Amino acid sequence: KAGVTQTPRYLIKTRGQQVTLSCSPISGHRSVSWYQQTPGQGLQFLFEYFSETQRNKGNFPGRFSGRQFSNSRSEMNVSTLELGDSALYLCASSVGTVSYEQYFGPGTRLTVT
Amino acid sequence: GQQLNQSPQSMFIQEGEDVSMNCTSSSIFNTWLWYKQDPGEGPVLLIALYKAGELTSNGRLTAQFGITRKDSFLNISASIPSDVGIYFCAGKGGGSQGNLIFGKGTKLSVKP
Repeated sequence: KAGVTQTPRYLIKTRGQQVTLSCSPISGHRSVSWYQQTPGQGLQFLFEYFSETQRNKGNFPGRFSGRQFSNSRSEMNVSTLELGDSALYLCASSVGTVSYEQYFGPGTRLTVT
Repeated sequence: GQQLNQSPQSMFIQEGEDVSMNCTSSSIFNTWLWYKQDPGEGPVLLIALYKAGELTSNGRLTAQFGITRKDSFLNISASIPSDVGIYFCAGKGGGSQGNLIFGKGTKLSVKP
């Protein structure tokens, strides 16, 4: 079974721009969660989508948004990028019911200059 | 937001040594997960625990779900160089609502 894939792996953007990251979950998984990882803050939960609906949301500003498609693939968007948005963005998929074991993708390294 | 206290923050290991780390929370969890992350990669799930008191092994790794449901422990026996990395605990409360809460990680390095 193929694992979680994320594209792109690396991205360099300028302050004020916007960015869209993509995540394809493990086949059969209906839940996709997004995390921001930085050295100082660790893994911070952004949001979770289950069956195309946002099920949970972390404490991030509205510049961070996401969506999930009918095939469970998910995208997250960050608008008006700030230097502090530089981080590793991880997506994790799970079955979403009964078992909450999450399986992570390799991440997208975003650098904002 | 809610956080788990994971300790130690870092430790040095010598090949062959046993290693222990733990996580504690002020809240009760129904699920405890342990992950390992290598540089430049996403965390990899090592062990999942679902019942208070449960003890589960995965090779040289053993994890326990504390009986109070507020803590979990991970032990690595006879460590080897490839054990270096960052280990994260994660916990989740009951129901489909509520996300996984992650500890800040324990960084394992080889003793110089």
